[in-house]
Amino acid sequence: DAKTTQPTSMDCAEGRAANLPCNHSTISGNEYVYWYRQIHSQGPQYIIHGLKNNETNEMASLIITEDRKSSTLILPHATLRDTAVYYCIVGLTGAGSYQLTFGKGTKLSVIP
Amino acid sequence: GAVVSQHPSWVICKSGTSVKIECRSLDFQATTMFWYRQFPKQSLMLMATSNEGSKATYEQGVEKDKFLINHASLTLSTLTVTSAHPEDSSFYICSAPPRQGAHGYTFGSGTRLTVV
Repeated sequence: DAKTTQPTSMDCAEGRAANLPCNHSTISGNEYVYWYRQIHSQGPQYIIHGLKNNETNEMASLIITEDRKSSTLILPHATLRDTAVYYCIVGLTGAGSYQLTFGKGTKLSVIP
Repeated sequence: GAVVSQHPSWVICKSGTSVKIECRSLDFQATTMFWYRQFPKQSLMLMATSNEGSKATYEQGVEKDKFLINHASLTLSTLTVTSAHPEDSSFYICSAPPRQGAHGYTFGSGTRLTVV
């Protein structure tokens, strides 16, 4: 699976949009981009995934560059409950067919 | 959505004793369950994969005789830390792979193990 690079930490003011970048320059054509987050002392939570089109769900939006070498997770109106470590992972899709290899992720702190 | 129930959420045990952690898939069948360990301020590290009806597979460096994994049914996987030592103190998390048509892994809420 392709490797990802994320900033170690970011701050965001409550109510503002949080934009979390991820570089995945070695991503292959059939690999998806997945985002998970882990709130302190809890298990990780799936957020969103995408292949090449931008995606949006009730939690977040995912913007993938045209060359697919990077992506940005957007939390449109960050709340204090969004404070967590966010992980960007690339892999193939399908039940169990992509391995979850967690990097260090980005620690997002939402500030009142 | 899919829910994985993990118990206990925290446990304190004495050195040399064994601790069992359970993960149950509540509304679906999980033929596979992944077990992770997370030390403070570090990322999740995959320890092993349990498979219903067959032996678990362990990642390199994980002692299979120390971390006993059993996948007794399609809804229950257990991890037993045997002869626990303080260095086994960690956050243990289970995860079920995406169901057909889905894309997200479902994680348990984690178990904080402290060995004294």
